[in-house]
Amino acid sequence: SAVISQKPSRDICQRGTSLTIQCQVDSQVTMMFWYRQQPGQSLTLIATANQGSEATYESGFVIDKFPISRPNLTFSTLTVSNMSPEDSSIYLCSVEDLMGSREAFFGQGTRLTVV
Amino acid sequence: AQKITQTQPGMFVQEKEAVTLDCTYDTSDQSYGLFWYKQPSSGEMIFLIYQGSYDEQNATEGRYSLNFQKARKSANLVISASQLGDSAMYFCAMSQFYGQNFVFGPGTRLSVLP
Repeated sequence: SAVISQKPSRDICQRGTSLTIQCQVDSQVTMMFWYRQQPGQSLTLIATANQGSEATYESGFVIDKFPISRPNLTFSTLTVSNMSPEDSSIYLCSVEDLMGSREAFFGQGTRLTVV
Repeated sequence: AQKITQTQPGMFVQEKEAVTLDCTYDTSDQSYGLFWYKQPSSGEMIFLIYQGSYDEQNATEGRYSLNFQKARKSANLVISASQLGDSAMYFCAMSQFYGQNFVFGPGTRLSVLP
């Protein structure tokens, strides 16, 4: 299994500012995933972050709004840029257990409120 | 494209009784994985159970079992002997067999009554 530390756990931000969310894994993983969960909604995949290459974004998400870094095999960041109240969501990072049950391990989530 | 449907936005169950949460899926892939996650009000995602598309037996994990009916494309979660701590959102999810890219259903909010 993997242990994922995600920071910050919550934040309240002013519109127009940016927030960077950090995700640290206790083991090396090939792929890391970032999800958004809007209030009362399910999880939606934002992008897949591979070490050494640009992140792959899902439809509806763009790099200018959600830049992602993946400097090594245990760490990734997601930045929510030029925030608006519509960005208020829980953001979760995730890694997959390729060798075992294929379950996804999730960080604790970052609860973001934009005012 | 993969899609998960959960038709029960909310469910109530009496403590100590069993409850079934419905999940149907749609995919053209032959190999895939089906998952159930629990999300309490604190927001973290807790893995409950996994079923591979080629697994012939239904998965079980303690009080959780997955009723997998491949021909019907359903993967219902059965929770036996419900506890108050089971009150949470429950998400059914699917992934490609050799990748992640989870697709999540809309979720079912389960409330366990004392």
